Amino acid sequence: DQQVKQNSPSLSVQEGRISILNCDYTNSMFDYFLWYKKYPAEGPTFLISISSIKDKNEDGRFTVFLNKSAKHLSLHIVPSQPGDSAVYFCAASGSNYQLIWGAGTKLIIKP
Amino acid sequence: DTAVSQTPKYLVTQMGNDKSIKCEQNLGHDTMYWYKQDSKKFLKIMFSYNNKELIINETVPNRFSPKSPDKAHLNLHINSLELGDSAVYFCASCPTLAGANVLTFGAGSRLTVL
Repeated sequence: DQQVKQNSPSLSVQEGRISILNCDYTNSMFDYFLWYKKYPAEGPTFLISISSIKDKNEDGRFTVFLNKSAKHLSLHIVPSQPGDSAVYFCAASGSNYQLIWGAGTKLIIKP
Repeated sequence: DTAVSQTPKYLVTQMGNDKSIKCEQNLGHDTMYWYKQDSKKFLKIMFSYNNKELIINETVPNRFSPKSPDKAHLNLHINSLELGDSAVYFCASCPTLAGANVLTFGAGSRLTVL
């Protein structure tokens, strides 16, 4: 039972363009959402988060959008840079603070 | 100076053996976790400790036993290893249990059971 789904296993984007990574969830009790980035042979690192009381959070080149009615969030990276090539995990939590993770999307930035 | 360090990074062993993975964090965090990343790349929580006390114990076989000698350390011992235990195991920590779930992860320990 996947409560957090990242339906695109991989995404290829030209350097300088916008990267859009998507995430869907099924549990309406989730109230906090996070994106983590993972390079090979390293652990995931926190990137950006959003609370359910907001619909947008921005941090430099990274913006996360939350559509609660659609149970959908997305991560926008603009402009995309070669160093953004990594696996991006979406995660969600509710009142028990336990994170539920998606399977990740591998982002490849082409020069 | 690594914030969350795990050892060993790679571990290859035979079925039936017993092995341990160690984890240490120097961030002063209260809460530590063990996650398993399976073949489908999902990260699944196994255990969570808060100030040396077990908080979360997911449906993990009792062959897996975590031990937290102090709040900076959370070790994972696995008895009678099986083929299905092959995975990457990640240790993580966060400031408090009721925090914002911003975890700091170790680099992972890849376990291969032959």
